[in-house]
Amino acid sequence: NAGVTQTPKFQVLKTGQSMTLQCAQDMNHNSMYWYRQDPGMGLRLIYYSASEGTTDKGEVPNGYNVSRLNKREFSLRLESAAPSQTSVYFCASNLEFRFMPEAFFGQGTRLTVV
Amino acid sequence: KQEVTQIPAALSVPEGENLVLNCSFTDSAIYNLQWFRQDPGKGLTSLLLIQSSQREQTSGRLNASLDKSSGRSTLYIAASQPGDSATYLCAVTNRDDKIIFGKGTRLHILP
Repeated sequence: NAGVTQTPKFQVLKTGQSMTLQCAQDMNHNSMYWYRQDPGMGLRLIYYSASEGTTDKGEVPNGYNVSRLNKREFSLRLESAAPSQTSVYFCASNLEFRFMPEAFFGQGTRLTVV
Repeated sequence: KQEVTQIPAALSVPEGENLVLNCSFTDSAIYNLQWFRQDPGKGLTSLLLIQSSQREQTSGRLNASLDKSSGRSTLYIAASQPGDSATYLCAVTNRDDKIIFGKGTRLHILP
């Protein structure tokens, strides 16, 4: 099925551990995004990639790094996890934000840092 | 800095009623506005997308309007059903290519 696929769906980390959240889309989209969703805070943009080979910071980039591995894949890395990074993480993509902007979302990764 | 506000934060209405959800944004220089639906524990599903040059979009019982100059959008749901219960999110795409979300309206349709 076409869409945005995130792995893993659930993860528990200890403080200080590292991990990478994977995201892949098979719709040949140019732009990809990582968001976190917290109760009462809505979705907040962490990083985005407007096109292959480019990445930019969003609202809350501290503590995260990203890699746009190729056109399909956009990964989010936590180098040293902190309890404040407990959240649900969503990856999204769209074809071209200015001309075909409908965004598609993955099902989310629920991360708990203890 | 773009800020997106959704009012009310939560809403309960009896089945069959028509209802309106509100979204406002502070910077009118946007490419588009999109309404999403999110069910508990699930991802986001796109409902309607309005380009900056458009005034409204319709899909079935849903109608979304956009008044860019005043920084407002509404989502109208006709003849509400229990299956419409969900959180509805409004998002704008800025000229700097970022998609900024409101915090959502939690809608509960009473059978």
